[in-house]
Amino acid sequence: NAGVTQTPKFQVLKTGQSMTLQCAQDMNHEYMSWYRQDPGMGLRLIHYSVGAGITDQGEVPNGYNVSRSTTEDFPLRLLSAAPSQTSVYFCASKERGTGFSPFANTGELFFGEGSRLTVL
Amino acid sequence: KNQVEQSPQSLIILEGKNCTLQCNYTVSPFSNLRWYKQDTGRGPVSLTIMTFSENTKSNGRYTATLDADTKQSSLHITASQLSDSASYICVVSPPEGGGNKLTFGTGTQLKVEL
Repeated sequence: NAGVTQTPKFQVLKTGQSMTLQCAQDMNHEYMSWYRQDPGMGLRLIHYSVGAGITDQGEVPNGYNVSRSTTEDFPLRLLSAAPSQTSVYFCASKERGTGFSPFANTGELFFGEGSRLTVL
Repeated sequence: KNQVEQSPQSLIILEGKNCTLQCNYTVSPFSNLRWYKQDTGRGPVSLTIMTFSENTKSNGRYTATLDADTKQSSLHITASQLSDSASYICVVSPPEGGGNKLTFGTGTQLKVEL
């Protein structure tokens, strides 16, 4: 059971270039999300998805696009990279939790190993 | 604005000693509070999840406590090991949302030395 797999682990881009960070999970989780982690700051939510075909913005969505065509995959696209997007990116998926709502917050959140992106 | 503050920012202890990490939050009401361990260069891994009605939860040598009245949580590590060296992150979630409202603390960097 691989869990959440992210590729690439490291990437260097020039300002203005575009790229896609890949994320795949094999746990059949409906909920998937992307976070960025910067020094001195907590993880911040970029985009999330509650199922195939459904995506929504998080706290810091500008400059990023996502799509969810399958349950397993949730790629993050940088449209025109900027130095401010230099960060470590984490993909996470969440199992359905307990409670009345199918989206109750008690589900376990599983993170990938991260993708370190440098924009020059 | 919901906030989660952790203390200390960093901590160095000797192997075998115990330590306690603190988390204060302003999210209220909240659904649950989580503690994660993040090794250098790795993704966070869940240690405990406590709902608002729980006041303690253990995972091996890790014990988390929660005081919803004072909005404080602590993570106690017993008989520390070198492998406990990591960042420990406190995460709070309000009742609404499906995980998209998680608020992360900045973490406590723990180093365990011989």
